[in-house]
Amino acid sequence: AQSVTQPDIHITVSEGASLELRCNYSYGATPYLFWYVQSPGQGLQLLLKYFSGDTLVQGIKGFEAEFKRSQSSFNLRKPSVHWSDAAEYFCAIYGGSQGNLIFGKGTKLSVKP
Amino acid sequence: DSGVTQTPKHLITATGQRVTLRCSPRSGDLSVYWYQQSLDQGLQFLIQYYNGEERAKGNILERFSAQQFPDLHSELNLSSLELGDSALYFCASSFGQGGNNEQFFGPGTRLTVL
Repeated sequence: AQSVTQPDIHITVSEGASLELRCNYSYGATPYLFWYVQSPGQGLQLLLKYFSGDTLVQGIKGFEAEFKRSQSSFNLRKPSVHWSDAAEYFCAIYGGSQGNLIFGKGTKLSVKP
Repeated sequence: DSGVTQTPKHLITATGQRVTLRCSPRSGDLSVYWYQQSLDQGLQFLIQYYNGEERAKGNILERFSAQQFPDLHSELNLSSLELGDSALYFCASSFGQGGNNEQFFGPGTRLTVL
């Protein structure tokens, strides 16, 4: 079955430090891959997506993600975190069979001053 | 602002009742998706409509139904409500219906069933 795993429920980093959020997926082929961010009281905003081609993709707000087929992973990174990055981050795949996104459980990011 | 609007923002009701959640997609988008976000289940896909027709169905309960109208707005109807239906319900829209179409999410409707 198609699934997305985000192993870290909650991560705290200091402002200015680097960030990596983990995402692993289970799917028979290469899915379309997405990272969304949800700020408190807000809907989800797309940070970046991977369909094919270059495995390192750049997104908005200084985020990037790397697709690693051998590890079935699509980890999100940011070199220097800002306090405004505090939010919940969701990794998702589009499996194709049902026309919908399959989300991970999310990783809540807290940023220390 | 994604351009997707949802009303109401908050809804408080009692068990056994029926409610209707409304979604207006971004201008020009033909697909509408409904998702449920709860603490125990996370974000789950419920149903998708494309240009008025149902296209895909996820873990949507039989007590729930949806439709997309000719003006492309959509409504999600939840009936015989149970405590466990309390959740944040998101609507999303996209131009096309495939996975390469970015889905734009509305701010959600928070449903509380007492």
